[in-house]
Amino acid sequence: GQNIDQPTEMTATEGAIVQINCTYQTSGFNGLFWYQQHAGEAPTFLSYNVLDGLEEKGRFSSFLSRSKGYSYLLLKELQMKDSASYLCAYNRDDKIIFGKGTRLHILP
Amino acid sequence: DGGITQSPKYLFRKEGQNVTLSCEQNLNHDAMYWYRQDPGQGLRLIYYSQIVNDFQKGDIAEGYSVSREKKESFPLTVTSAQKNPTAFYLCASKSRGGPAEQYFGPGTRLTVT
Repeated sequence: GQNIDQPTEMTATEGAIVQINCTYQTSGFNGLFWYQQHAGEAPTFLSYNVLDGLEEKGRFSSFLSRSKGYSYLLLKELQMKDSASYLCAYNRDDKIIFGKGTRLHILP
Repeated sequence: DGGITQSPKYLFRKEGQNVTLSCEQNLNHDAMYWYRQDPGQGLRLIYYSQIVNDFQKGDIAEGYSVSREKKESFPLTVTSAQKNPTAFYLCASKSRGGPAEQYFGPGTRLTVT
């Protein structure tokens, strides 16, 4: 992805909490997305942050700091079905620029 | 039901042949996008269109062509000039002025040998 960094892989245990970090650099910025993608499938929308702060949606929360170019996705009470790739992306004008994704492995 | 369709899910072609991937949406979205995804990689933008009869190159447009003759349809042609065409191709659409998120089709996995 263009100027988006996130860890390549992470491993966590079922029932635990995991935080996936994302940093970005861009001259134009409208908002920050998180998408979930299971292997061989299309990405599905998780969250969109426009303003600084934490937004909670069930087991998933997303945080944004525009001044630091930083976001994280927090997953609580991990389930085996959460094993997937998580894509960080920023919205610039009418385009969405994606990072390479973080592959999350959940251990029983 | 409203949504985006891509067909077929798997497509095989011989090297040197052009191939067209279909993308249709009935969400009444103005903007449509084509992405390419390689193993272990994120999505890279090939082309996008914000309105009928208009489209723009994305980051990796070389070897690809598109058309937008109808609001519902945004076909992508992978030409023989594309050096590494084997990939997973995803089409997406979004509403201009509405929610920011893009809605994705199921994808087409193209294999060229």
